[in-house]
Amino acid sequence: GAVVSQHPSRVICKSGTSVKIECRSLDFQATTMFWYRQFPKKSLMLMATSNEGSKATYEQGVEKDKFLINHASLTLSTLTVTSAHPEDSSFYICSASGGGANTEAFFGQGTRLTVV
Amino acid sequence: QKEVEQNSGPLSVPEGAIASLNCTYSDRGSQSFFWYRQYSGKSPELIMFIYSNGDKEDGRFTAQLNKASQYVSLLIRDSQPSDSATYLCAPDMRFGAGTRLTVKP
Repeated sequence: GAVVSQHPSRVICKSGTSVKIECRSLDFQATTMFWYRQFPKKSLMLMATSNEGSKATYEQGVEKDKFLINHASLTLSTLTVTSAHPEDSSFYICSASGGGANTEAFFGQGTRLTVV
Repeated sequence: QKEVEQNSGPLSVPEGAIASLNCTYSDRGSQSFFWYRQYSGKSPELIMFIYSNGDKEDGRFTAQLNKASQYVSLLIRDSQPSDSATYLCAPDMRFGAGTRLTVKP
């Protein structure tokens, strides 16, 4: 399958700081990217869907100003957790799709964020 | 709220048997239905996807979709111990909680 690279794999930050997570499609053009967070032993919770060059569509209950998503190119999307707090500690994972709703999406390796 | 429901399991089957995984969803507008497999501590891996009513087969896996019933399933034939994992149903990339499958040798 296609390769999606997510960076960093782990990050620890102080409360109140911002953290940027990158998601790159290495061998295909990702027209759509999905951002999820996952709590231990829980399901993936879709946070937002972004299409290249457009504003992200956020799921109900996800704060747009807290979780900033940029999808400026066909190979890169970023998620910035602004003014992070301990409750934002989680596993964040992206997936990328090359061709719209009926096209398979491939996952990055995920980022373990710990806010202290 | 767009809900995706799966039996959490665990579902246990003997090696060589057929494992049947079920999923219902609430959003009638869902167009694409994905099945992913996730091993503990790893990212999900795509097994297959389906977007038309009926069956779709890929090797030992068969996905079945019934949009009228808002139901999608995954059958795994000749189950192997290596199939032991959590199986995630994802209509339009919104995930259910997953069903944990254990295949016993």
